[in-house]
Amino acid sequence: GNSVTQMEGPVTLSEEAFLTINCTYTATGYPSLFWYVQYPGEGLQLLLKATKADDKGSNKGFEATYRKETTSFHLEKGSVQVSDSAVYFCALNPTGNQFYFGTGTSLTVIP
Amino acid sequence: NAGVTQTPKFQVLKTGQSMTLQCAQDMNHEYMSWYRQDPGMGLRLIHYSVGAGITDQGEVPNGYNVSRSTTEDFPLRLLSAAPSQTSVYFCASSYSQTGGGAFFGQGTRLTVV
Repeated sequence: GNSVTQMEGPVTLSEEAFLTINCTYTATGYPSLFWYVQYPGEGLQLLLKATKADDKGSNKGFEATYRKETTSFHLEKGSVQVSDSAVYFCALNPTGNQFYFGTGTSLTVIP
Repeated sequence: NAGVTQTPKFQVLKTGQSMTLQCAQDMNHEYMSWYRQDPGMGLRLIHYSVGAGITDQGEVPNGYNVSRSTTEDFPLRLLSAAPSQTSVYFCASSYSQTGGGAFFGQGTRLTVV
């Protein structure tokens, strides 16, 4: 079946620290992978995506590489800012209408 | 560029009441879905639709009904509200092909007392 396992939070970092949020998946076929971000009181926003193995998605300084051999899609950022404080969701998309989400990782960045 | 619009943003219901959560998208997406978000459980799929006139159940469909009479609209009906339905509800729409990503509304925070 399809599922996503995401690093549990909450995560608290100081400004300019390095961020890694782990995500591994189980899937049939060749899914697309996504990271979504949710700011307080808002809906989920697409942060980045990768549609095939070895693709690297990137946006706003965040990166994630689709690793088929380790079934992973870890989110990284070299230097976090206070404005990055949010909840991050890893998601799997095996078919057009099916998305499977991780449980979310809450990130708080302190000045 | 409205994207996905959900109404209302907040709602309080009494146990046993019914209501409809509205969702509209202006991107001509074929696929639309309803999720509920509960602490520690991520997003769980309630119902989805692959086009006008076609709907199907997701992971947690009990207590909810949907219909899709147009491409744009996908309302979610709570038939007889229960405290277990207290949650944040998100509507999403997506392309028919994988890789395009899902677009989410702002959410409806529902409390059932």
